[in-house]
Amino acid sequence: ELKVEQNPLFLSMQEGKNYTIYCNYSTTSDRLYWYRQDPGKSLESLFVLLSNGAVKQEGRLMASLDTKARLSTLHITAAVHDLSATYFCAVDESSGDKLTFGTGTRLAVRP
Amino acid sequence: GAVVSQHPSRVICKSGTSVKIECRSLDFQATTMFWYRQFPKQSLMLMATSNEGSKATYEQGVEKDKFLINHASLTLSTLTVTSAHPEDSSFYICSAREEEGGGNTIYFGEGSWLTVV
Repeated sequence: ELKVEQNPLFLSMQEGKNYTIYCNYSTTSDRLYWYRQDPGKSLESLFVLLSNGAVKQEGRLMASLDTKARLSTLHITAAVHDLSATYFCAVDESSGDKLTFGTGTRLAVRP
Repeated sequence: GAVVSQHPSRVICKSGTSVKIECRSLDFQATTMFWYRQFPKQSLMLMATSNEGSKATYEQGVEKDKFLINHASLTLSTLTVTSAHPEDSSFYICSAREEEGGGNTIYFGEGSWLTVV
């Protein structure tokens, strides 16, 4: 059974600081997704990582994938309050679009 | 871009009644859609895979007779919660991928809040 773990579960960070969220998964997969969820809302797609070594960046967020280590990271650079949300990674084990989600990381960026 | 729409966004129903949630792919066809459930402050859990023109595939522990899924067309899947109970209160979200052109993004609907009183 595929397990997807994120850490930390909760992250309080100061504006302007950098931090990394980690996503570990237990079986082989070539597709990993990152989503953002605001309170009471659905999921917003951030990144799709499709191969080992893939790195994608959008604004202050950068995601990477290491399929050999079964690890993905979401790096936040110079955090701003607007980034406060819950971030989920999700793994597609069999390329069938059926996703197993991580536990989620609730990010709070304070002034 | 591709959009997945759900309706209703919020619904309140009485215990013992049934409620239907619709998931539509607005500008693409989806032979497969997925239904997830999310309890407050928790992650998303896959409930079932909705297959156009055939029976849905349910995840372990999900009652197929309670959560009826119908995928009658390439743009519409419905989830009916039958004989709803307060413990069914949750956020239900559907997803689909635009398969034409080999797109890799999986789109999620806006979600439907179900409250059973």
